[in-house]
Amino acid sequence: DQQVKQNSPSLSVQEGRISILNCDYTNSMFDYFLWYKKYPAEGPTFLISISSIKDKNEDGRFTVFLNKSAKHLSLHIVPSQPGDSAVYFCAASAGETSGTYKYIFGTGTRLKVLA
Amino acid sequence: ETGVTQTPRHLVMGMTNKKSLKCEQHLGHNAMYWYKQSAKKPLELMFVYNFKEQTENNSVPSRFSPECPNSSHLFLHLHTLQPEDSALYLCASSQGNSGGKETQYFGPGTRLLVL
Repeated sequence: DQQVKQNSPSLSVQEGRISILNCDYTNSMFDYFLWYKKYPAEGPTFLISISSIKDKNEDGRFTVFLNKSAKHLSLHIVPSQPGDSAVYFCAASAGETSGTYKYIFGTGTRLKVLA
Repeated sequence: ETGVTQTPRHLVMGMTNKKSLKCEQHLGHNAMYWYKQSAKKPLELMFVYNFKEQTENNSVPSRFSPECPNSSHLFLHLHTLQPEDSALYLCASSQGNSGGKETQYFGPGTRLLVL
């Protein structure tokens, strides 16, 4: 059973608009969450993270929101740019409490930003 | 050379072959990881090494054999693989002293095809 789910395999957004990528998780022990971006023929690159003690973290155009009661996190990209077109993975870890190095990844959402 | 490098980038092998994947990190990290990404599936953690010691083996078949001679190098030895082992194999590294709240940095991956 998948503990981290990205239910939208793809998303298209007009340049300049907001992109919202969603991620749901089932394990209440998860306490650290990350978003990675992946271009074709490259490995995933780290984008932004959030600890469960926060409900929002912002870095430039990227903001991650965490709703612990709903076990849901989202990534907002504002404004979206064509260079943001990539596959976005969310990942979760129970590491802050357990010290484990294990990330659980979602299946990814392919974002296409249209010029 | 910077970041995390992987060689070869592409590999085609028969089921009776023996081959090795190599990963090298130039980030001064102490933890290294092997992941497998199959089509339409999430990244699956295979192995974790922390300070050269294996700390996680995610029920990986014995036809995959990892080796970590030092904190900068990680190998994945492959023998008698099956066609379903065809996938993208990704290496990652992290600091290795903060558990699951560390950011993992990925290499570009090795695309493996088993015939």
